[in-house]
Amino acid sequence: GENVEQHPSTLSVQEGDSAVIKCTYSDSASNYFPWYKQELGKRPQLIIDIRSNVGEKKDQRIAVTLNKTAKHFSLHITETQPEDSAVYFCAASIKASGTYKYIFGTGTRLKVLA
Amino acid sequence: DTEVTQTPKHLVMGMTNKKSLKCEQHMGHRAMYWYKQKAKKPPELMFVYSYEKLSINESVPSRFSPECPNSSLLNLHLHALQPEDSALYLCASSQDKGEPYGYTFGSGTRLTVV
Repeated sequence: GENVEQHPSTLSVQEGDSAVIKCTYSDSASNYFPWYKQELGKRPQLIIDIRSNVGEKKDQRIAVTLNKTAKHFSLHITETQPEDSAVYFCAASIKASGTYKYIFGTGTRLKVLA
Repeated sequence: DTEVTQTPKHLVMGMTNKKSLKCEQHMGHRAMYWYKQKAKKPPELMFVYSYEKLSINESVPSRFSPECPNSSLLNLHLHALQPEDSALYLCASSQDKGEPYGYTFGSGTRLTVV
């Protein structure tokens, strides 16, 4: 079935360093890839997304890259800050029953050490 | 209004109780979703409504019964739940215009079944 693999499961970085989280998806028809940040006890929040007709997208310190041939996409956070500490989920779209659903990765717990 | 509002925030119920979770959005989104999230796990899709019609049921047990009274409201009726159903229940909404869009999640209902 469809699945999304996400690595690493935990990531610790020093404040100011960069963090990279990688995902691999299985359905070649997936064409939309959102990233969500979930702080402890809070809702997931969409932080960036990318569509399959684009290879890279950037929003301030956050960027996402997509390699459709390899079915890989990655989240890059530069100049990390303590408030970036959270669980990050990638997702890939799947069309089903005339609408879209998202398959989530298993999550990456990012800790930014001050 | 860019919020998805869920009530109640917390719910404790016995295995013989009947309760309902409510979700409301006023962003004009025509796709609404129920997710279940266990601790340290990604959100797990339960139901998708598109234009007020149930389009996806991810083989959810019948003790969970969704309802979409209108385009702004989504309910989840609960009956005869089991302790393993204890989790964070998240509602989400998104545009539904023939291509996928990111979700806006509600803050969730933390359900405990005793």
